[in-house]
Amino acid sequence: DAGITQSPRHKVTETGTPVTLRCHQTENHRYMYWYRQDPGHGLRLIHYSYGVKDTDKGEVSDGYSVSRSKTEDFLLTLESATSSQTSVYFCAISGAPIDTYEQYFGPGTRLTVT
Amino acid sequence: GESVGLHLPTLSVQEGDNSIINCAYSNSASDYFIWYKQESGKGPQFIIDIRSNMDKRQGQRVTVLLNKTVKHLSLQIAATQPGDSAVYFCAESNTGTASKLTFGTGTRLQVTL
Repeated sequence: DAGITQSPRHKVTETGTPVTLRCHQTENHRYMYWYRQDPGHGLRLIHYSYGVKDTDKGEVSDGYSVSRSKTEDFLLTLESATSSQTSVYFCAISGAPIDTYEQYFGPGTRLTVT
Repeated sequence: GESVGLHLPTLSVQEGDNSIINCAYSNSASDYFIWYKQESGKGPQFIIDIRSNMDKRQGQRVTVLLNKTVKHLSLQIAATQPGDSAVYFCAESNTGTASKLTFGTGTRLQVTL
C-alpha cells in the first residue's frame, strides 16, 4: 500500500458521536486525500491537502473536517456521526516525485454508524 | 467485496482471453487519466495512466487507449488470468487542480476457468 496506513481499520460508532480517522504516510508525498466509497457511487473526494495546514474541500465535504499538522499525517473528523456516513473511507497520497499525478491508496477504514 | 457496489456492470472473460474495459469520461478539460484495480476488501491499486498528449500507452499485459474526440478510455488486459478478477475504475483529472481525481463507478471483471 505504498507506505500508507489507516487507523482504525474498522469502527462501529453511534449516531451523534465524534469520530476521527487517521492516515499516516512514510513517503513524504505532498498531497493527501480522503475519499469515501459507497455502492453505486464509486470513490468520492471528501477533502484533500496540498501541504501542512493547507486543506480544501472535495465534492462531499459536508459533515467532515480535516487537519494536517505534519506532512505524514492527515486526519478526518466526523464531528457528529450520522448513519449516512456509514461507508468505507480511503486515504490516498500523491505528488512525489515532482510532476507525477497518480494517487496511491491506503487499505481503507470501514465505518459503521448505528 | 461488499464495499465496491452490488450492481456494477460485469464483464466475464475466459482465462487466457483478452479483456477490454471501457470508460466514458465527462470533462473535456481533463488531461490526465488513470486506471485502478480494486480487489475485495482492499484499496484501489494503480495500474496504468496516460496523459492527454498520448493516444496509447502500454504496460505489462495492459494497454490504455484514449480517444479524446469521443471522450472514451479503454483498458485492455492481455491473456487474462484469474488474479485479474477485480473491480476496475477509471479516473480523470485536470492536472491544474491539485491532482484531484474524479472516478467512474467501476466495472467488475470476472475471469472464468
